[in-house]
Amino acid sequence: DQQVKQNSPSLSVQEGRISILNCDYTNSMFDYFLWYKKYPAEGPTFLISISSIKDKNEDGRFTVFLNKSAKHLSLHIVPSQPGDSAVYFCAASARVDMRFGAGTRLTVKP
Amino acid sequence: DSGVTQTPKHLITATGQRVTLRCSPRSGDLSVYWYQQSLDQGLQFLIQYYNGEERAKGNILERFSAQQFPDLHSELNLSSLELGDSALYFCASGSGPSSYNEQFFGPGTRLTVL
Repeated sequence: DQQVKQNSPSLSVQEGRISILNCDYTNSMFDYFLWYKKYPAEGPTFLISISSIKDKNEDGRFTVFLNKSAKHLSLHIVPSQPGDSAVYFCAASARVDMRFGAGTRLTVKP
Repeated sequence: DSGVTQTPKHLITATGQRVTLRCSPRSGDLSVYWYQQSLDQGLQFLIQYYNGEERAKGNILERFSAQQFPDLHSELNLSSLELGDSALYFCASGSGPSSYNEQFFGPGTRLTVL
């Protein structure tokens, strides 16, 4: 079941520009959302999260936006750096249930 | 380094066999989660244990089982293996029982079923 979808398997941006990664979910019970980043041969690492009571959360170069009515969230990275090149997973949680998207591979070109 | 360890790193076995994957959570974390990542798939949540008790169950097949021991390490047992079970299996740990808590992932165990 694809309760969390990341429809873009890959994204390529130029260094210094904005990267926008998108995620859609179907279950209205999800009330907490997270982004994880994964480098090759490593496990995912937590990046940023947002509660459903907010519509924006910012941490340095990373901002997550949540549109509950559209069941859509996005991760903005500004400015993008080559070290940001990784696979980004979106996750949605409903207390004990967590679902992940299939991931988007971001490549930031120097 | 997340502080979560998983062994073995790689495992190659044949169909019909049984394997055990092991996970040691970060010091102090009481929750252990197991995930499966197949080729081109996202992370599929399998099961969660909190302080030795099963807390949540996801898309875990009946051929798979897990447990968390008193020292909080966890094992995932996969039996009657099929080719489609080939995947990366991740363990993650968290401090609390809720999936709202940040999870710290281990490096994964790559299982290949031939």
